[in-house]
Amino acid sequence: NAGVTQTPKFQVLKTGQSMTLQCAQDMNHNSMYWYRQDPGMGLRLIYYSASEGTTDKGEVPNGYNVSRLNKREFSLRLESAAPSQTSVYFCASNPAYNYGYTFGSGTRLTVV
Amino acid sequence: KQEVTQIPAALSVPEGENLVLNCSFTDSAIYNLQWFRQDPGKGLTSLLLIQSSQREQTSGRLNASLDKSSGRSTLYIAASQPGDSATYLCAVSPGGKLIFGQGTELSVKP
Repeated sequence: NAGVTQTPKFQVLKTGQSMTLQCAQDMNHNSMYWYRQDPGMGLRLIYYSASEGTTDKGEVPNGYNVSRLNKREFSLRLESAAPSQTSVYFCASNPAYNYGYTFGSGTRLTVV
Repeated sequence: KQEVTQIPAALSVPEGENLVLNCSFTDSAIYNLQWFRQDPGKGLTSLLLIQSSQREQTSGRLNASLDKSSGRSTLYIAASQPGDSATYLCAVSPGGKLIFGQGTELSVKP
C-alpha cells in the first residue's frame, strides 16, 4: 500500500545509546516531518524537511538530528538517548505546505 | 503563537446519536485544517481536509466545517457507531507544519 513506512515499530534503548528511526514515503511528496506524541502534550514537531536537501527545526529539536537522504527518505537520529525521549514518534509527509498530511504508523520508543 | 483547543476532551454517547466535536484556533492565518482519527496504539488516519477558502467538507457520515473569522471548526458525526470510538484530532497548518489540538476521546456505547 502506498503511504509512509516507519521502522522499527518498537524499540527499547538504554540511556546513552544511539539509534536512527527510519521513514520512507512512496507518494513523491516534497515535504516530510517528524513528530513526537506524549500524554498530555499532544503531538509536537521535532524537525521537518520542506524539500529534498533542506531541514529545519521544529518545536522540540534538542537531542535529535535528521537527514533527508533523498526525496523518499527522512531519518531521525538520537545520538545519546535520554528517558525524556521516551515517546511515540510519527513521520508524516505532504506534497507541499498547503496540502493534507499522511502519517506513518509510528515508532514506540522506550529509554530506560 | 497559534494554539488549538478541542472541546470536550472526552465524550461518551449511545449508539445512533448524532454528535459534534469542536475545535478552535487562535490565529486565522492558516492554509488548511485537517481532522484525524487515532485508534489506541495506532497512527493517525486523515478524515477530512478543509482548505482555508472552503467552508465545509463531507465524507460519508462525517461533515467538517470551517469558520476562519471566528477561529472555529466542527466535526459532525451522524448516526454514531461503536466503530467510531477513537480519539479525534484537529490540526491547523499555518504553512510548513501542523499544529495539533489535544484531541477528543470519543466512546460510542452499543
